[in-house]
Amino acid sequence: EAQVTQNPRYLITVTGKKLTVTCSQNMNHEYMSWYRQDPGLGLRQIYYSMNVEVTDKGDVPEGYKVSRKEKRNFPLILESPSPNQTSLYFCASSPGQGGRGSDGYTFGSGTRLTVV
Amino acid sequence: GENVEQHPSTLSVQEGDSAVIKCTYSDSASNYFPWYKQELGKRPQLIIDIRSNVGEKKDQRIAVTLNKTAKHFSLHITETQPEDSAVYFCAASTPRDDKIIFGKGTRLHILP
Repeated sequence: EAQVTQNPRYLITVTGKKLTVTCSQNMNHEYMSWYRQDPGLGLRQIYYSMNVEVTDKGDVPEGYKVSRKEKRNFPLILESPSPNQTSLYFCASSPGQGGRGSDGYTFGSGTRLTVV
Repeated sequence: GENVEQHPSTLSVQEGDSAVIKCTYSDSASNYFPWYKQELGKRPQLIIDIRSNVGEKKDQRIAVTLNKTAKHFSLHITETQPEDSAVYFCAASTPRDDKIIFGKGTRLHILP
């Protein structure tokens, strides 16, 4: 089944403790992206990657890191999480340029992160 | 950069009536406008999209219109049903970068 797999689904952590949210897609998509979703603010892009070893900042990259060593994986790293990073995170992939393909983005199931 | 405004933030309609959600964008170079539906507790999913060379697109009960001069586009849902209750996001994208900018979303309630 074609899908984007995120882990974990839920995570509660403490301020300053490094964490990684994994994202993997099995559709051979070139484009991958991370979004955070907050009430009243919609979906805001954190980072995106057009291909292996190519990453770029989205609109809210502060406090986050990503890597794209393999085509299928695009982990999101929070080196020193803070409470304002409490949010719902979505990984997304698409075959074409930035979700512009005919099928748009395929989103993962989401990761609900709470930083206390 | 691109900015997408979406209205209303909440919309309640009687089952069977029509619903309209409106979005405006700021970058005249934007040429791709997708709409995503997010049911409660689930991931967003693409329901329809339109490109700037088309003024209107329809898929069963859902239609999208685009006015490039005014830089606004709208989602129309006719004969609404309970399963249409969800949050709907509009978005816009320009060809010069790989970003899709989303609106803040509209929570649609279908009333029995």
